[in-house]
Amino acid sequence: EAEVAQSPRYKITEKSQAVAFWCDPISGHATLYWYRQILGQGPELLVQFQDESVVDDSQLPKDRFSAERLKGVDSTLKIQPAELGDSAMYLCASSSRGTGYGEQFFGPGTRLTVL
Amino acid sequence: AQSVAQPEDQVNVAEGNPLTVKCTYSVSGNPYLFWYVQYPNRGLQFLLKYITGDNLVKGSYGFEAEFNKSQTSFHLKKPSALVSDSALYFCAVRDKGGAGGGNKLTFGTGTQLKVEL
Repeated sequence: EAEVAQSPRYKITEKSQAVAFWCDPISGHATLYWYRQILGQGPELLVQFQDESVVDDSQLPKDRFSAERLKGVDSTLKIQPAELGDSAMYLCASSSRGTGYGEQFFGPGTRLTVL
Repeated sequence: AQSVAQPEDQVNVAEGNPLTVKCTYSVSGNPYLFWYVQYPNRGLQFLLKYITGDNLVKGSYGFEAEFNKSQTSFHLKKPSALVSDSALYFCAVRDKGGAGGGNKLTFGTGTQLKVEL
């Protein structure tokens, strides 16, 4: 069964350092999402791509976060500099162009701890 | 703005008993509703969705959910709980009118289900 891949699974960094997360969606899925899940809360959308284009980054803290999906396949989310409040689970999800009703498939996530 | 509320942080149930995890929503227009489950240190897994049609929706692992428009609820149910059902459950609503082609999900805060022997 096809799955969304993410790496690393865990990342510990010190504040002010740069971190990057990678996501490989299910093959053929045109839409890719990055969510942030703070402990005890539901996931919150950070950025959504349709192919290589950003279609929603309204909740992305653009002063420190950036995301790209250069060839419309895999994607990278970067934080620079990391802050203590960035400690969270970062989830990547994908959906096919045809599933217009929001069924998204999630990867295992990257748990970030900022010290 | 759309929103989802899960009023219970935790639900405890004995194995073999029926379970209900509650969800209420607030949207403009017709709601598109979803349930996801999350096991420790894992991503979310899709359980079921309501788009239109029958108010009782059946999903994975024996779960079902009942859509009630008058009460704006979408409660998750299972006739007989298993210990392996213990996990974190999220209700979500789709944003039809937002950026990104209307495919953004807004999640509730989650309900921890604990099934005991």
